[in-house]
Amino acid sequence: DAKTTQPPSMDCAEGRAANLPCNHSTISGNEYVYWYRQIHSQGPQYIIHGLKNNETNEMASLIITEDRKSSTLILPHATLRDTAVYYCIVRPPNNAGNMLTFGGGTRLMVKP
Amino acid sequence: EAQVTQNPRYLITVTGKKLTVTCSQNMNHEYMSWYRQDPGLGLRQIYYSMNVEVTDKGDVPEGYKVSRKEKRNFPLILESPSPNQTSLYFCASSFTIGTRFNEQFFGPGTRLTVL
Repeated sequence: DAKTTQPPSMDCAEGRAANLPCNHSTISGNEYVYWYRQIHSQGPQYIIHGLKNNETNEMASLIITEDRKSSTLILPHATLRDTAVYYCIVRPPNNAGNMLTFGGGTRLMVKP
Repeated sequence: EAQVTQNPRYLITVTGKKLTVTCSQNMNHEYMSWYRQDPGLGLRQIYYSMNVEVTDKGDVPEGYKVSRKEKRNFPLILESPSPNQTSLYFCASSFTIGTRFNEQFFGPGTRLTVL
């Protein structure tokens, strides 16, 4: 699976958009970008994934650059409950064992 | 409510005393998996199951057993726990479509301490 690079931490004001970047310059053509988050010691939670087109769901938007070497997760109106570690993962949709490998992630702190 | 449940949520035990952590999902998912999470080591896969009676080793299977007799349940068994198995354990499940996996749903975690 391709390696990803994320900033270790970010702050965001409550109610503002949180933009979380991820670099994945070695991504392969069949690899998707997935985002999960983990609120302190709770089970990881799936957020969104995409291949090359921008994606939006009820939780977030995912913007993938045209060369697919980086992406940004956008939480449009961050709340205190969005404080968590956010993980960007790049992998094919059918890797062995469906294993998820989390890197360091970005610790997002949403402040009042 | 669609969910993955784990029991117990917290467990303190002693070396060598067999234990089982249960995992159950109500979403009719084919795929289920167990992970452990340790500080500085991230999430590591222990075992996974593609469907009933089909299990396979993940990255760190030593000291663990699993079974998949029913689609909804995937218990994790520690026959003789040791202190290095002290960890936070997560069960996860997902649909599969052919060889493609969809997003994984995780349980709330089981914090295990082996003395």
